[in-house]
Amino acid sequence: GQNIDQPTEMTATEGAIVQINCTYQTSGFNGLFWYQQHAGEAPTFLSYNVLDGLEEKGRFSSFLSRSKGYSYLLLKELQMKDSASYLCAVSTRNGQAGTALIFGKGTTLSVSS
Amino acid sequence: KAGVTQTPRYLIKTRGQQVTLSCSPISGHRSVSWYQQTPGQGLQFLFEYFSETQRNKGNFPGRFSGRQFSNSRSEMNVSTLELGDSALYLCASSSSSTGGAGNTIYFGEGSWLTVV
Repeated sequence: GQNIDQPTEMTATEGAIVQINCTYQTSGFNGLFWYQQHAGEAPTFLSYNVLDGLEEKGRFSSFLSRSKGYSYLLLKELQMKDSASYLCAVSTRNGQAGTALIFGKGTTLSVSS
Repeated sequence: KAGVTQTPRYLIKTRGQQVTLSCSPISGHRSVSWYQQTPGQGLQFLFEYFSETQRNKGNFPGRFSGRQFSNSRSEMNVSTLELGDSALYLCASSSSSTGGAGNTIYFGEGSWLTVV
């Protein structure tokens, strides 16, 4: 079956660094996405990993280990506006080349001053 | 360029009715997929279309259907609405059917459906 696990909630303070972990068991792995979603809004793309290693983009970095079925999103220099839900999603692919994103339940991050 | 556009943004329907939601992908994007988001289940994949063909389908009953037009615009339909269909329905588009290799998947603002 398809399964993606990530912590339900995390808290941190402004200026700190936080790491959100994601483990997955899926078939037809075709990459892993991280999205940010503020309450009542659409998910916004943060990062994409398809090869092992670290991808850095400003204050956000994402890491992938395909052999371990593991990824993390690292947020540096936290700001109040980073308070949101962070969604880990694995892109899977079926025989007809159709794709689907399988999402974790999301991690609600609360940043306090 | 314009993002993914979904209409209507909010709607209220009665049990037993049917509803049609519309999605216009980013210009040039040929892959459109639909997701249902609820507090209990999170984001769940409904189906994906590429060049008017359904390429992938999630585990939803046959009451949920969709189609894609030649201009890549897509619609999804839910018939015989149930209370449990109340959710945020999100449309996403990408430039490729493969969904990987950096072909980022972008989401629209969603359609909030309430079934009473």
